[in-house]
Order: sequence, then structure tokens, then C-alpha cells
Amino acid sequence: AQSVAQPEDQVNVAEGNPLTVKCTYSVSGNPYLFWYVQYPNRGLQFLLKYITGDNLVKGSYGFEAEFNKSQTSFHLKKPSALVSDSALYFCAVRLLSGTYKYIFGTGTRLKVLA
Amino acid sequence: GAGVSQSPSNKVTEKGKDVELRCDPISGHTALYWYRQSLGQGLEFLIYFQGNSAPDKSGLPSDRFSAERTGGSVSTLTIQRTQQEDSAVYLCASSSIQINTEAFFGQGTRLTVV
Repeated sequence: AQSVAQPEDQVNVAEGNPLTVKCTYSVSGNPYLFWYVQYPNRGLQFLLKYITGDNLVKGSYGFEAEFNKSQTSFHLKKPSALVSDSALYFCAVRLLSGTYKYIFGTGTRLKVLA
Repeated sequence: GAGVSQSPSNKVTEKGKDVELRCDPISGHTALYWYRQSLGQGLEFLIYFQGNSAPDKSGLPSDRFSAERTGGSVSTLTIQRTQQEDSAVYLCASSSIQINTEAFFGQGTRLTVV
């Protein structure tokens, strides 16, 4: 079965420290991978995506993610966390055969402490 | 429109009543998705429309749930005989026909069944 896993329900990090939110996937073929962020009482906002090419992709608000094919991972990173980064983060994969729906992970709540 | 629009933003209904949730996608987007987000949970796929193709209904939890998309644009998700476990945020998203693009989400409809 094709799936996305976010092993951490919550990540706490001090403001100014680097942050990592983990994501691993299990899909057939080459994946298209995405990260979204959800602030309270809001819909999901797109952060970044990996389609092909450079394994390190950069996105909105200083976030970046590293695609690792051998580890089937797509971890979200930021060199210096801000309190305003506190939110719910979702990793997603888009299926490339049959239906083209997005499959989402269960989400990781990031809490940046001042 | 500028973004995906969902209405109503909040809906409180009595158990056993039918409800209709509306989604107006970004103009020109041929793909439209419905997801459900229960409190503290991830995104559960419900249904996916792509152009004139048959929709992927594999995520609909029961035959009380149905959705249609008229004229390739606006979509309505209908829940018949609502139950308390249907209480959740229902999110709609749309994307272009290009498979390497991200989906854009609406703000969601918060459904509360009392």
C-alpha cells in the first residue's frame, strides 16, 4: 500500500535553533513529494515540493527539504526556527499512476519555544 | 477566483439531517479533491475529480456520503443522515492538470453534528 509516515506527533525546538520534521514514504515508482503547513483554523498552505533534479529543494518562509531516494525520506528543515513557525506540518505524496490523488501523512505539530 | 472558496465556513446540524458543503475551485483547475480532517487527525482522502473522467470515490466512508461536480467547476459534498462521527473539518482542494503541480486548499468547512 502506498503511504506517507510522519513518525513524530510533535516536535519542540527552541527559537533560533535548527528544526527538522521527518517524513518517509512508500510508493511505487518515482514520487512527487510535498510539504504543507496549517495554522490554527486555516486551510493548508503549500511550502515546497520535490519533482526531480536537485535533492535539496527550497520553499517558502526559509524552509527547505531534502529528498533521499535510498532512505525514501523527505525531511523538512529550517536553519533557524521562529516562534511564528509553530503550526501543523503535513508531508504528502502524489500518486503518478491510476488516480493522481495526494496522500498525506498524519501531521507533525511543531512548537517553537521562545 | 483568487483561491479555493468553501461554504459555509461553519455548519452545525442535528443528527440525522442532511448537509451540503460547497467548493468553488480555482478557475481553470481541472482536478478537485475533498479531504476530511478530524480533530487532531491527519487528512483523510474522500473523493477526487479530474476533468470528465470518472471520479475516484475510494475514500468515501459510507454510502451516506456523495459528491458531484457540475460543469467541471463547483463541487458539492453531500452527507445524508449525519452522525456525530461525521463532525470534522472538510477541506476542498484543486490543482491544474499538470501532475507536477501542487494542490491549493480552501479554508475548510467545520461541520458539527449535535
